[in-house]
Amino acid sequence: QQKVQQSPESLIVPEGGMASLNCTSSDRNVDYFWWYRQHSGKSPKMLMSIFSNGEKEEGRFTVHLNKASLHTSLHIRDSQPSDSALYLCADDRGSALGRLHFGAGTQLIVIP
Amino acid sequence: GALVYQYPRRTICKSGTSMRMECQAVGFQATSVAWYRQSPQKTFELIALSTVNSAIKYEQNFTQEKFPISHPNLSFSSMTVLNAYLEDRGLYLCGGQGAGQNTLYFGAGTRLSVL
Repeated sequence: QQKVQQSPESLIVPEGGMASLNCTSSDRNVDYFWWYRQHSGKSPKMLMSIFSNGEKEEGRFTVHLNKASLHTSLHIRDSQPSDSALYLCADDRGSALGRLHFGAGTQLIVIP
Repeated sequence: GALVYQYPRRTICKSGTSMRMECQAVGFQATSVAWYRQSPQKTFELIALSTVNSAIKYEQNFTQEKFPISHPNLSFSSMTVLNAYLEDRGLYLCGGQGAGQNTLYFGAGTRLSVL
C-alpha cells in the first residue's frame, strides 16, 4: 500500500485554466511535503516544498498544507501547455537527510 | 548549478544477467544519494538511501543482495541490478542531496529493459 496518495491520476485543463492536484500522506512523522514536476523523458525537478500549515505562493503556483490531515495540494493558475507533465508529491520524514517517499503522480495535460 | 549525470540512459539486458548504473554529482557534494525506480505502472519507489560514511538503508522489498550500491565519495554513486528479470524493468533514478540541503537533484534516469 502506498504511503503517499495522489489524486487525480490524470487531469486535463484548458490553457489559462486552473489545475488543482491533491496529495495525502499516511505517515504522522511527515515534516515536509515536496512537489516535483517531471516532463516526459526528463528527470523530476523540484517545484516547491512546504512544511508549515497554510499556503505558499510562487508565481502561478500555490501550495496548501493541512498538517492535521496530512494533506497538501498544488494549484496552478493560468495553466500553460508547457505545464503539461507528471506532478509528483513526496513526503519527507524529517531526518536531516530525509528519505522522500513519492506518490504515483498526477499526469497534467494542458490543452491549447 | 547543481547537476546529476546518470548513465547509461538506456540499457537492455537478458533475463538473469546484471547491469550497473552510475551517477555523478556536479556542482555540489552529494552527501546522500537516493535510488528510485519508476515502474511501467508509474509508481515511484524508493529503493535505498545511501549516506557517505553511514550504512545504506534499503526500503522494504529491496535488498542489498539484489541492488548493491556503492557510494565511495561525495560525487559518485553506483547501483547494480543483479539477476534482472521482467519485474525489474523501469526507469531507475538517482537523486543527490547535499548536507543541510533540502533539495534532491535527480539524474535523467537509466531505463532498463529486460529481454
